[in-house]
Amino acid sequence: EPEVTQTPSHQVTQMGQEVILRCVPISNHLYFYWYRQILGQKVEFLVSFYNNEISEKSEIFDDQFSVERPDGSNFTLKIRSTKLEDSAMYFCASSPPGPRGNQPQHFGDGTRLSIL
Amino acid sequence: DQQVKQNSPSLSVQEGRISILNCDYTNSMFDYFLWYKKYPAEGPTFLISISSIKDKNEDGRFTVFLNKSAKHLSLHIVPSQPGDSAVYFCAAGGSQGNLIFGKGTKLSVKP
Repeated sequence: EPEVTQTPSHQVTQMGQEVILRCVPISNHLYFYWYRQILGQKVEFLVSFYNNEISEKSEIFDDQFSVERPDGSNFTLKIRSTKLEDSAMYFCASSPPGPRGNQPQHFGDGTRLSIL
Repeated sequence: DQQVKQNSPSLSVQEGRISILNCDYTNSMFDYFLWYKKYPAEGPTFLISISSIKDKNEDGRFTVFLNKSAKHLSLHIVPSQPGDSAVYFCAAGGSQGNLIFGKGTKLSVKP
């Protein structure tokens, strides 16, 4: 069964450094998402992406964050200048075309980001 | 702002019995609801969903019930199996597609 794959599984970065988290969504999917889960807290929506542009973003997704689909297969999340509070598990998800309720989002196994 | 609430952090059930996981929501504009299952070190895995225009959806051992007037949904697993032990997340979605998650309920199914 097709899967969403995320790399790396664990990323350790110094505060203030840039980090890029990578995702390969399922190939026929058209909608892409990033979520994060801070330890002990809820899974929180960050951003959704469709047709090569952001379709919705949350308050968390400020100017330090950006997303890109550079080559038609990868979907990346960049954090420009990381802060301690960016430490979390970051999940990528994708869903196929069709009404959202009939097409559930499929999640990758996440990248654990640790900011030192 | 807890738009989706799972008030039970944990649930323990004997193998073969029914597991009932509950979820409440506050926003009547949600179009659909989903249940995800999560094992440690893995991402959420989709289990079952229900549209806001339905009150029940069944898939094998899993049934989701939606009570719109009470803004409440539940996931029934019957019979429960030890492999069902995981954290279960309720999520709600609207027209924009982003999901709002509850905090999760850790289900333990004892042999």
